[in-house]
Amino acid sequence: AQTIHQWPVAEIKAVGSPLSLGCTIKGKSSPNLYWYWQATGGTLQQLFYSITVGQVESVVQLNLSASRPKDDQFILSTEKLLLSHSGFYLCAWTGANTGQLYFGEGSKLTVL
Amino acid sequence: QQKVQQSPESLIVPEGGMASLNCTSSDRNVDYFWWYRQHSGKSPKMLMSIFSNGEKEEGRFTVHLNKASLHTSLHIRDSQPSDSALYLCAASGSSNTNKVVFGTGTRLQVLP
Repeated sequence: AQTIHQWPVAEIKAVGSPLSLGCTIKGKSSPNLYWYWQATGGTLQQLFYSITVGQVESVVQLNLSASRPKDDQFILSTEKLLLSHSGFYLCAWTGANTGQLYFGEGSKLTVL
Repeated sequence: QQKVQQSPESLIVPEGGMASLNCTSSDRNVDYFWWYRQHSGKSPKMLMSIFSNGEKEEGRFTVHLNKASLHTSLHIRDSQPSDSALYLCAASGSSNTNKVVFGTGTRLQVLP
């Protein structure tokens, strides 16, 4: 069975500080991986997706970047956090070719 | 840019009642629709999917799709307090299943 793990579970960071969020998937080779952002009580905004190691497509950047250093790993980062970066960050992988998403448990980010 | 509009924004139903949620896409290239449920503080989980015109039933949940109008609806009968959550509609097209767009969401509250 496939499992997806996100870290950290929660972070409280200062404006202007750097950030790195990670996601690892086990039990699925060459997965398509995704990053979504969700403002409190809001909808999900797709940020990036990657279909292979070293390749990342940007959908909406929001002053963030993403990298795929390994087949099973997807990293979201920024060098300078903004207040608007606060929210819930979700990593996901797709199952069938239709695009059904399986989400990790998420990382809650609070920027002060 | 594709938009997925959901209505109503919020809905309150009594326990045992029927909840009806709506979703419409603005993109004529959409082929696939999903309904996800997200409990507070948790990640979204896929509830139902529908790709063809018509109706699909799974237990207390029924989903309809009209591809001509790009409209889907989710009906929950015999609603339970545990159904209280944010319901998100998502859509993608067969030409690029990597771009999954989520709707604005409907917050359902089921009162005991």
